[in-house]
Amino acid sequence: QKEVEQDPGPLSVPEGAIVSLNCTYSNSAFQYFMWYRQYSRKGPELLMYTYSSGNKEDGRFTAQVDKSSKYISLFIRDSQPSDSATYLCAPRGTTSGTYKYIFGTGTRLKVLA
Amino acid sequence: DVKVTQSSRYLVKRTGEKVFLECVQDMDHENMFWYRQDPGLGLRLIYFSYDVKMKEKGDIPEGYSVSREKKERFSLILESASTNQTSMYLCAASKLGGELFFGEGSRLTVL
Repeated sequence: QKEVEQDPGPLSVPEGAIVSLNCTYSNSAFQYFMWYRQYSRKGPELLMYTYSSGNKEDGRFTAQVDKSSKYISLFIRDSQPSDSATYLCAPRGTTSGTYKYIFGTGTRLKVLA
Repeated sequence: DVKVTQSSRYLVKRTGEKVFLECVQDMDHENMFWYRQDPGLGLRLIYFSYDVKMKEKGDIPEGYSVSREKKERFSLILESASTNQTSMYLCAASKLGGELFFGEGSRLTVL
């Protein structure tokens, strides 16, 4: 079983739609949960992160973590064509005192104008 | 913001050639990382370094080596390139436990 599972997509939605992107993970020791956004032919950039369970909102973006079911979600409200990118979930844990970032394969999102 | 610069965006090399991928960061971050990114496999950690001259193997170090002689520079070396090393290579830097800042990537094709 992979440590992080993420549907690769592509997910195509019309402009203005609410988008839900999801990951599951297997390691209950993960405490920080990050979402990275990667535009085509660019490196990933941090979009937002949450610590432990709960919600975090930043503008049109909401990150949600349910540690009991090991489920991570990213919601995008009023999606825009500029949101078209690959979204990678990345839980963070520690291995022998060293921080380790585990990346999902990414979900490719297309927002159609 | 931290800037991470990868000197080569696109490279084409032949099987057996020695390949150097260079990465420089400008914010004095302790940690630097090399990942490769392949469709369906996501980002996989090759090597990381938490200090000058220090290095640790990641999940897929075979066929690669690294060098960190200065804090701002982390190089990935393919001693003898093979076709299965055709990939996107991403360098990243971070403070201890902090977010990863990525470069724009180096797309390597080995013929």
